[in-house]
Amino acid sequence: QSALTQPASVSGSPGQSITISCTGTSSDVGSYNLVSWYQQHPGKAPKLMIYEVSKRPSGVSNRFSGSKSGNTASLTISGLQAEDEADYYCCSYAGRVFGTGTKVTVL
Amino acid sequence: EVQLVESGGGLIQPGGSLRLSCAASGFTVSSNYMSWVRQAPGKGLEWVSVIYSGGSTYYADSVKGRFTISRDNSKNTLYLQMNSLRAEDTAVYYCAEGVAAFDIWGQGTMVTVSS
Repeated sequence: QSALTQPASVSGSPGQSITISCTGTSSDVGSYNLVSWYQQHPGKAPKLMIYEVSKRPSGVSNRFSGSKSGNTASLTISGLQAEDEADYYCCSYAGRVFGTGTKVTVL
Repeated sequence: EVQLVESGGGLIQPGGSLRLSCAASGFTVSSNYMSWVRQAPGKGLEWVSVIYSGGSTYYADSVKGRFTISRDNSKNTLYLQMNSLRAEDTAVYYCAEGVAAFDIWGQGTMVTVSS
């Protein structure tokens, strides 16, 4: 199973909104609404930010939102803050595959 | 407190074997889907294996036939037996609760396969 495709890097200024895409196929992202997103700071374990495409776990800021259209899922971070600088990974239950990862830089 | 703590990593020669452990607290391993996810140095996340609450197991093609996932209900602990290790298995190994979404993660244990 090939990794889902994410942009290598995305950047934005504090307060701006950014969107990270996650492109798969009809066999993974497109097959179920079971896409999740993870935030990982250097040297730390990943943290669940979004599950089932658009649901937020308790404690995750509502600045994080998810969506999906066809074979592409997206994570939007609004009101970008310095602490949002991290690596982000999408994951599809179908295919049990992660994305290639996106480094978010806050300018 | 809900927590996962991995152990058992280290330096191992190619072809060798290693068993990773993941001790859970605050919830029951046998009642949940439990997974192993790894991350090679400087690389992305890779799903390795899952054991369902009913006992079914699944593996990534890259480890199938070499790795075995299991659990000890009495110890509330998850395991990953890794045999015939290769240099490309070098990674931080995380255990995580879940299969469709991983909401509890351990701190990870480093496995280095090198001569």
